[in-house]
Formats: sequence, C-alpha cells, structure tokens
Amino acid sequence: EVQLVESGGGLVQPGGSLRLSCAASGFTFTNYWMHWVRQAPEKGLVWVSRINSDGSSSNYVDSVKGRFTISRDNAKNTLYLQMNSLRPEDTAVYYCVRDMPMGASWGQGTLVTVSS
Amino acid sequence: YELTQPPSVSVSPGQTARITCSGDAMTKQYTYWYQQKTGQAPVLVIYKDTERPSGIPERFSGSSSGTTVTLTISGVQAEDEADYYCLSADSTNSYEVFGAGTKVTVL
Repeated sequence: EVQLVESGGGLVQPGGSLRLSCAASGFTFTNYWMHWVRQAPEKGLVWVSRINSDGSSSNYVDSVKGRFTISRDNAKNTLYLQMNSLRPEDTAVYYCVRDMPMGASWGQGTLVTVSS
Repeated sequence: YELTQPPSVSVSPGQTARITCSGDAMTKQYTYWYQQKTGQAPVLVIYKDTERPSGIPERFSGSSSGTTVTLTISGVQAEDEADYYCLSADSTNSYEVFGAGTKVTVL
C-alpha cells in the first residue's frame, strides 16, 4: 500500500523558515516524480513544486520561487520542502503528492501557519 | 496560465453533472481531475483526460474537445457531492496549475 506521511508543519513567524518532510513507502520511490501541493484554509488547491525522479530537475510556482526549495533523498525515500522567508499568505495545508499519474496518491497533509 | 472552471454545479440525484475546464494549452497537455470532500485529501478520479483509475466508479468519465475538457458524472449520487478540481500544465510543461474548483451540490 502506498503511504505518504508529511511532517514538519507548525507555527512560524513571518520571515521564518520551516522544512517539511514526506516519508514514502509502499512503492519504488526512485521511479517517481514527486510534488508539493498546498491549500489555504477554505481555499482551492495550489500546485507548489515538483522534482524529477533523480532530483536533478525541479519547478516552482512563481509565488514561491527563490524562497522554497524542493529536494529528495532517494536512499531515505523522503521528499523535502525547505521554506524560507515565509509570509502569512503561505499559510496552508501542504500535501505531498506522487506522480504517474499525477495525484494518484496524496499524504494527509501538514499545516503550516505563518503568523506573529 | 489559468484554467477556468464554473464555481458551482447543482444536479438532482440520478441526473448527469458536467464540469468543464478550459485552458489555452489543453490541446498540448493532459488534464487530471480530483474530487475533494470536506476535511479530506483529494482523490484522483480521471487522469490523462479520459482514463479512470482503478476503484473509481464507472459513472465518472472524462472527455476533451479543443481547449476544453469535461468531467461527466452520470447518475449522480449523494456521495458525489464534493469540490472538483482540474489540473494541467502550461504549454512548455514548465509548471502545473489547478483550476479554482467546482462545488457540486446534489439537490
């Protein structure tokens, strides 16, 4: 059974940093592109970032470029999202999502709250 | 790049609901559809425009015509009440984008 378990969310002040992790199991992690998707309270889904299977290529939504970095450790079957210079508008549930096909599996999400 | 969905669709049980998603790059990129019920993570219901994942009821189907793709729910049931989102990529596959979502209400 595919499992994606996010962690690392919490309350952070504006300008602060957090690193989200996503532990993957039940499939061959190294074969799949991975994504982060977020959802602000009572709002729609927003695609944030993706990374290819070996970690050599990544893409971001414009609103997080230069502040967020996606990475992966294939030896640990773990996906990461390093979030710097956080803003109140980054407040959301962050989901780890598997590709092939896109969105076949989602984690339960981890809540990030940016507030003073 | 934006994907356009209607904000809401209302349908009676047993009837057919159609949700459209429009975007300029849709002739070049596949579209995916997700169902999200309150308080839950999204579930993939259609991928690559028309493919249905295993475990998704046959009443869910997808179609494509030009720059518009459509999710059709035939014989709508009360359990289909949810938000539905489309996802696709820009023309160069540099990034991906969700539509704003369509709330399906079963009357």
